[in-house]
Formats: sequence, C-alpha cells, structure tokens
Amino acid sequence: DIQMTQSPSSLSASVGDRVIITCRASQSISSYLNWYQQKPGKAPKLLIYAASSLQSGVPSRFSGSGSGTDFTLTISSLQPEDFATYYCQQSYSTPRSFGQGTKVEIK
Amino acid sequence: QVQLQQWGAGLLKPSETLSLTCAVYGGSFSGYYWSWIRQPPGKGLEWIGEIDHSGSTNYNPSLKSRVTISVDTSKNQFSLKLSSVTAADTAVYYCARADEWLVQQVDYYYGMDVWGQGTTVTVSS
Repeated sequence: DIQMTQSPSSLSASVGDRVIITCRASQSISSYLNWYQQKPGKAPKLLIYAASSLQSGVPSRFSGSGSGTDFTLTISSLQPEDFATYYCQQSYSTPRSFGQGTKVEIK
Repeated sequence: QVQLQQWGAGLLKPSETLSLTCAVYGGSFSGYYWSWIRQPPGKGLEWIGEIDHSGSTNYNPSLKSRVTISVDTSKNQFSLKLSSVTAADTAVYYCARADEWLVQQVDYYYGMDVWGQGTTVTVSS
C-alpha cells in the first residue's frame, strides 16, 4: 500500500497569507494526486486532481504542483472561508489512501 | 446537479453487520466509480472501497475480509456492508462518486467529486 504523509499537521495563518501544504508519497505516484478540503461536520470537497488541475468552481487562489513523490497545495491569499482541514489522496493504485490531514486555523 | 443521499442504521452492537445505502439522483449511474469512505471521530479519512456500474469492486485490504460493496443499477443505488463490527468501526461513513478526467490528452485522472451527506455509525454494547 502507498502511504501518504502531509506536513504540517496544523498551521495558524492570517487572512491574506500565502499557505503551503506538503504531501509526500511512499513511492512514485506520477501525478495521481488529489487535494480535498473539509469543513467541520461536512463532507470533503475536491479541490484539485491530477496534482495541478483545478476542479470546476474552485477559486483560482488554490493551486497544486508536484509529481513523483512530492506535492504541494498552495493557497495564494487565505480567505476566511478557507479555514478548514485539507487532505491529499493518491489515485495511482488501490487502496486509494489519504494523508492524515492538515488543519488550517486562524492566527 | 448530481446528488447522493445515503441512509442506514446508526447504532450497532459489536459483532453486528453495518449496512448503508447510497442513492444517486440527477445523473447517470454508468461510467463512474461509486465509493465508500469513513472518518473516525476526530481522525482522518479512510478509503473503504469502490464499485463500478458493472459490479467490479476494489476494497481496502485492511477491511477486505469484512466488506461487501454492491450495486443496484435499476434503482441507481449502491450499498456497503461491513460485518463483525467493533468499536473501532465507529465513524462517519460517506458515499462518493469518483470520476475520471483526461488531462493534457495523456491519461485519465481519478477524483471523488460528489459526496453524500455522511452517516454517523456508532458501535457500542
């Protein structure tokens, strides 16, 4: 099974900050990497697929990059509605494992 | 606008079988993977497994001996059964649709783009 490791586990940031979240796969997964946003009590929402493709309707302040084993999710200017937990997921093989999550909190 | 509506028993005793169903409204059932994911209280997401419209399945090996995912195309529904539950199976269970998109004319990439509302399942004696 492929293990996904995110860092940091949590971070505090202010509105307007640039935020970067990292995800590392235990083996190469090419660009088979998704990012999801989850708010408390809600289902996750797909933000990015194929490492860098923005899902329809997702604001352009979200971007993804990387390939192989190392990936990043960047929020260019953090907005109040972006405070949430973010998960990466590999879709290279089954089981389609998730990272442990990164909680973005208000500073 | 595709919507997923899920339901099932929320309180189980140890050794019982968890049974959840997810109905697909407002969209096609074929051409997608239909997935189950769970989230223990205060923890992260765990992929349980998936099924396509033809009934082909993939399961998480950690749960494979206890999991069955099935599909009823006549009703646009898919279901999850998890046998011999314990307290460790207490979680919010989500159903989700997984689609694939062609990127740069090279390959298809998978992502879960529509989710159900979640069902809280508690296992307690």
